[in-house]
Amino acid sequence: DARVTQTPRHKVTEMGQEVTMRCQPILGHNTVFWYRQTMMQGLELLAYFRNRAPLDDSGMPKDRFSAEMPDATLATLKIQPSEPRDSAVYFCASGLAPGQGGYEQYFGPGTRLTVT
Amino acid sequence: GQSLEQPSEVTAVEGAIVQINCTYQTSGFYGLSWYQQHDGGAPTFLSYNALDGLEETGRFSSFLSRSDSYGYLLLQELQMKDSASYFCAVPGTASKLTFGTGTRLQVTL
Repeated sequence: DARVTQTPRHKVTEMGQEVTMRCQPILGHNTVFWYRQTMMQGLELLAYFRNRAPLDDSGMPKDRFSAEMPDATLATLKIQPSEPRDSAVYFCASGLAPGQGGYEQYFGPGTRLTVT
Repeated sequence: GQSLEQPSEVTAVEGAIVQINCTYQTSGFYGLSWYQQHDGGAPTFLSYNALDGLEETGRFSSFLSRSDSYGYLLLQELQMKDSASYFCAVPGTASKLTFGTGTRLQVTL
């Protein structure tokens, strides 16, 4: 069955290193979201795309985070340089636009990032 | 801005019924969603209410009162596997979701 995939599932890295997380949305979904989840802050929206164009990245620290969709089957979230406070689970989700009944989001399994 | 309030924890006995409440404040309202998340897992969609009233899906039901800015998730015939965190969420423009802080449900024997 169709599902969102994310790689890697786990990542341990040292402070200052670059981290790239990848997401393959469900085929046919035109909206892709990146979320971060921590115990303290809960689920936070970092950025999202519609038809590969960024719609909102106001939840993302601009100086170190960047999100892109090089094609319809791949979304990336990059952190450079990484810091210990970036340790969290990063989820990608995909769905349809509101006009297409897009009220349901399908989440990938997440990337658990630990920055030491 | 948007904010949602939920109880942080709820405990109930297997076979019982439990209600998880959510109150919200939004600048524009399109509906109320509920997601379930097991420990170590990803959020999964449970329900969506755009209109007032009760929506039933198997053992789970969701209710919305737009005039009261209030909704709830009702879980019946609780099972151990229902132990999870439950999030209410409101979609904004372009289906962007704002999540509540989540309610941790523990089902006991």
